[in-house]
Amino acid sequence: AQSVTQLDSQVPVFEEAPVELRCNYSSSVSVYLFWYVQYPNQGLQLLLKYLSGSTLVESINGFEAEFNKSQTSFHLRKPSVHISDTAEYFCAVRPYNQGGKLIFGQGTELSVKP
Amino acid sequence: DAGITQSPRHKVTETGTPVTLRCHQTENHRYMYWYRQDPGHGLRLIHYSYGVKDTDKGEVSDGYSVSRSKTEDFLLTLESATSSQTSVYFCAISLDTLSYEQYFGPGTRLTVT
Repeated sequence: AQSVTQLDSQVPVFEEAPVELRCNYSSSVSVYLFWYVQYPNQGLQLLLKYLSGSTLVESINGFEAEFNKSQTSFHLRKPSVHISDTAEYFCAVRPYNQGGKLIFGQGTELSVKP
Repeated sequence: DAGITQSPRHKVTETGTPVTLRCHQTENHRYMYWYRQDPGHGLRLIHYSYGVKDTDKGEVSDGYSVSRSKTEDFLLTLESATSSQTSVYFCAISLDTLSYEQYFGPGTRLTVT
């Protein structure tokens, strides 16, 4: 069975500091990989995705994630965070052989302090 | 904006009562999903649909049923609500048949007392 583990449930960080949110997955088949962000009292928004090709993918607001097949990881990074990045972040995988179903991690709460 | 609405947005109900949540999309996407979100569990798939009248179970389907009689509507029913079904429920749709990335509605907060 596939699973996704987000290694940190909460990450506090000061504004303008770098941050890394860690995501590891377990799967016997190839997967597509996603990061979603959820701002307070809102639904989830797609932040970035890895489908194929370059293992480094970027979002429009400065986040990036790198797919590491050997370590089965897809960590999310940002070199300098803003207060507005405070949110919960979810890593998800879609195994090639499971139709449209996504498997989510437990989420990481990023709290950016001034 | 993938044109997804959910109704109601908030509901409080009593144990043992039936509850139906509605998800409506405006763009005729084939795939629709219902998830529940609980602290420490992320999102877990309840049921999904890959077309009108075509549905299947997800990870946590016990106590829930779904129906999809029209492309644009996907209904989630709790036949007899229990306190363990207190949660935030999200509907999602898939735009793309290659990657199946999903886009989410605003959620319904359900409290079962």
